[in-house]
This record gives sequence, C-alpha cells and structure tokens, in this order.
Amino acid sequence: KAGVTQTPRYLIKTRGQQVTLSCSPISGHRSVSWYQQTPGQGLQFLFEYFSETQRNKGNFPGRFSGRQFSNSRSEMNVSTLELGDSALYLCASSPTWNTEAFFGQGTRLTVV
Amino acid sequence: AQSVAQPEDQVNVAEGNPLTVKCTYSVSGNPYLFWYVQYPNRGLQFLLKYITGDNLVKGSYGFEAEFNKSQTSFHLKKPSALVSDSALYFCAVRGAKRRNTGKLIFGQGTTLQVKP
Repeated sequence: KAGVTQTPRYLIKTRGQQVTLSCSPISGHRSVSWYQQTPGQGLQFLFEYFSETQRNKGNFPGRFSGRQFSNSRSEMNVSTLELGDSALYLCASSPTWNTEAFFGQGTRLTVV
Repeated sequence: AQSVAQPEDQVNVAEGNPLTVKCTYSVSGNPYLFWYVQYPNRGLQFLLKYITGDNLVKGSYGFEAEFNKSQTSFHLKKPSALVSDSALYFCAVRGAKRRNTGKLIFGQGTTLQVKP
C-alpha cells in the first residue's frame, strides 16, 4: 500500500506570494490532517478534513486554508506569505478517528 | 486544555543500554496516546499507541511504552538501544471525544542520542 504522498517536497517562495501544497492520503483513508513544524513552535495542528468537510481547525490566521476533494486528496493554501511561514508542512491520514495517523514526508516551505 | 509534556530536550544513552523517553499528558476523558519518531528531513513514523487494554504496549523496532493513568504518563522504553535509534521522538495525545477527531497534540520532542 502506498503511503501518504506530499508534493512538492521543497518550495521557495517570496513574501507576499501564495502557495498551494498537495497531499494524497493512503487509499481508503478519509481523514486528512495538516500540521506545521517549526524549530520554535514544534508541531502545531492546522486543520482536519473528513469526507470533504473541515472538522477541526487550529489557531492559525485566515491566510491558511485547505480543502479536501471527493477522492480524499487534500490541498492547503497559504496566501500573502510571511517569513514566519517558513516551516515543514506535514500531512497525515487515518482511516477512522480512533486509529493512528500516518504522515507524509512533508513539504519544506522557505519564504524569502 | 489538552497538553503533552516531554520534560527532556535530549536523552543520551550508550548502545546496548536501556533507554527511556518521558512523556506526561493532560486530557479530559480517556486519552489516546501515541509515539512517533522523526529522522532528519523526514516525516513522522508511527511507533506505537495506547487506546485501551494492557498498560504495557509493544510497538515497532523493539520499542514499548507504559501507560500510567495515576501519573498521567506514557513513557517510551527500549531494553537495548541501537545507534540507529538516534532520532527525534514525539509523544502525542488525541482526546477520546469525537469532536477532537484527527487533532493530535504533540509534545515538544526529545532528541535521543545513542552513542557507540
């Protein structure tokens, strides 16, 4: 079974631009979550989607948004990028709410 | 509010010795607890989980963890450390209530350094 796939792996953007990150969950997994990892703040929850509906949202500004498609693939978008948005963005999928989550390799976003 | 604490930023252990990485949690209701490992420039790999049942949980790569409800702890252990175990370890909790579905609260992480 293929794991969680995130694209692209690396991204460099300029302040003020926007970016879209993609996540393909493990086949059959309907829950997709996104996390931001930085050295200072650690791993922070961004949002979770289940069957195309956002079920949970973390404490991030409205510049961070996401969506999930009918095939469970998910995208997250960050608009008006700031230097502080530089981070490793991790996507995780799970089949149900009470099981472990499986993570992708992450997308390393650098904002210059 | 839910929280996870990993009191040690780094744990150093000699190869072949037992290792313990500490984790304490705070959550309302029964906790779902997890350990993940992260190697440089990689995502998180699942090691083990506690949902219910036996307090001693066995996971991947010879790791195990002991759930202690009275001490609200979920320490990660391994009887004999390997150099290849050197990595960043995260403890995480998910609330048992359905409204917390999918949201994992992570500790700050503990770097495990195993020396030959």
